[in-house]
This record gives sequence, structure tokens and C-alpha cells, in this order.
Amino acid sequence: EAQVTQNPRYLITVTGKKLTVTCSQNMNHEYMSWYRQDPGLGLRQIYYSMNVEVTDKGDVPEGYKVSRKEKRNFPLILESPSPNQTSLYFCASSAGTQNTGELFFGEGSRLTVL
Amino acid sequence: KQEVTQIPAALSVPEGENLVLNCSFTDSAIYNLQWFRQDPGKGLTSLLLIQSSQREQTSGRLNASLDKSSGRSTLYIAASQPGDSATYLCAVKGFGGQNFVFGPGTRLSVLP
Repeated sequence: EAQVTQNPRYLITVTGKKLTVTCSQNMNHEYMSWYRQDPGLGLRQIYYSMNVEVTDKGDVPEGYKVSRKEKRNFPLILESPSPNQTSLYFCASSAGTQNTGELFFGEGSRLTVL
Repeated sequence: KQEVTQIPAALSVPEGENLVLNCSFTDSAIYNLQWFRQDPGKGLTSLLLIQSSQREQTSGRLNASLDKSSGRSTLYIAASQPGDSATYLCAVKGFGGQNFVFGPGTRLSVLP
């Protein structure tokens, strides 16, 4: 089954404790992206990757890091989480180097930073 | 900069009604437009993808149209059911850009 898988789905952590949210897709997609969704603010892009070893900032990259060492994986790293990073996070992927295809989303990861 | 709006923000209809959700965008130079459905606290499920060269796409009871010149897309849902209750989002992608720009969504409630 074609899918985008995120882990963990739910996480409660404390300020400053480094964490990683993993994202994996099995569709051989070149494009992958991370979004956060907050009430009243909609979906905002954090980082995206056009291919292996190619990443770029989205609209709200501050406080986040990403890496793309393999095509299927695109982890989101919070080096020192803060309460304002409490949010619902989504990973998405799409085929084609120009991102021309359909965008597929993971189920989301709900993060709470105390 | 592309901006996407959706009207209405919320809609409540009785079961069985046909309904239309609207999506407007400011820059008509789009590559494609995609409609998604999102259940509370869940991920986004792709419903329909319309390429810029297309006028409409259909899937079951859903029909999406695209009018680039007026910067509009509509999602038509026929014979609505309570299971259609969800938030519906549209997203557009421009040429050369890497972002999909999302609208804020329309929250739909279909009452039994």
C-alpha cells in the first residue's frame, strides 16, 4: 500500500529535550516536505526536499532541522524544542523532480512541548 | 505572492443536499490545484487533482472544476451524507515554485 508513515504519532516532551520525528514514504517520491498545522493559522511549510541531499527552507523553518540521506526518509529534528513548537506536524511527498504530481500526506504527529 | 481563500469558512447542510465549496486564488499562473479532505486531528486525504490544462475532474459524488482566468475552483458534492462531514482544503501550485499554497479550509457538517 502506497503510504507516508510518520512516527511518533503522539509525543509529549519538555523544553530543550532534542527529538526527531521520522517520515518515510514507499512511493519512490523525489519531493518530500514538512508542514505544521495550528488553529487559525492553517498549514505552514517548514522544510522541503527536492531529492536526496537537497533541502530548502519553507515559510517557518526556525527551530527545525531536516536531512535527506535516503530517498524514502525525511526526518524532522527539533534540537531544542520550545512550547511554541507545540503543533500538529505533517509529512508529505510527491513524485517528480518538479513536484508536478499529487501530494500525499502522512497521518500527522501531534507534539506537545511543556 | 499567491494567496488562497475558501468560502464559506463553515457550512452546515441537511443530508441529501447538493453543495458547492469555493476556492479562490490570486495568481492564475498555477500548475495544478488539489482538493483535500481532513477529518479532525487526522491527516489530509487527496480527493481530486486538476492540472492547469484541465477544466474539471470527477470522482464518484465529487466534481471539481477549475477556471484559471477567474482564479476559481469549485468542489461540488452531490447527495451529501453525514460521512462527508470534514474540513475541505484546496491547494495550488505555481510554476517554478516549490510550495503548494493552501487555503484555510471549509468545515462541512452534514446533518442526518
